[in-house]
Amino acid sequence: NAGVTQTPKFQVLKTGQSMTLQCAQDMNHNSMYWYRQDPGMGLRLIYYSASEGTTDKGEVPNGYNVSRLNKREFSLRLESAAPSQTSVYFCASSELGTDSYSGNTIYFGEGSWLTVV
Amino acid sequence: TQLLEQSPQFLSIQEGENLTVYCNSSSVFSSLQWYRQEPGEGPVLLVTVVTGGEVKKLKRLTFQFGDARKDSSLHITAAQPGDTGLYLCAGGGGSNYKLTFGKGTLLTVNP
Repeated sequence: NAGVTQTPKFQVLKTGQSMTLQCAQDMNHNSMYWYRQDPGMGLRLIYYSASEGTTDKGEVPNGYNVSRLNKREFSLRLESAAPSQTSVYFCASSELGTDSYSGNTIYFGEGSWLTVV
Repeated sequence: TQLLEQSPQFLSIQEGENLTVYCNSSSVFSSLQWYRQEPGEGPVLLVTVVTGGEVKKLKRLTFQFGDARKDSSLHITAAQPGDTGLYLCAGGGGSNYKLTFGKGTLLTVNP
């Protein structure tokens, strides 16, 4: 099972360049997420998509845009990369549960290491 | 803003020792999850606890949710090198769209 697949795994950008991180899940999940992970900061939510056709800002959305292309795919775009966006980016997905007390299991991709110089 | 404080931030122990990792908040969460992350990988869910006072066991790992649903602990008995990794707690509110993650405890178990 592939689960959550994100590409590329490694990327080096120059300040001001743009790029798109791609993410796809094969679990028929409704919700998808983009997180960034920085040393000492933990995982922070950038954007999420509760269902196909909807996207919402998370904790740190500035400098990013997202597209929920279809149920499987959720891309993250950096329009003008900045050194502060150097980070490890994780895409994730979960099945939308109707029971708020059950706790959705979030499945993460393997991460994309982005360096902006 | 809901915050989760994890302690200790770093822990290095010898194989066979026991350890406890803590996750504390001033906020109430409807559920609390623990993830383990290995180098170069994404976090993987270990357990979800949803009831105050709940205790769950996963082989040598014991997870407890505080009675007031504001804190949780992870206890590992007889740690092994394979337990090495970053342990993250994450609290869920009414909707798990916005899980709040702690900063993690980096555990190293030396053979």
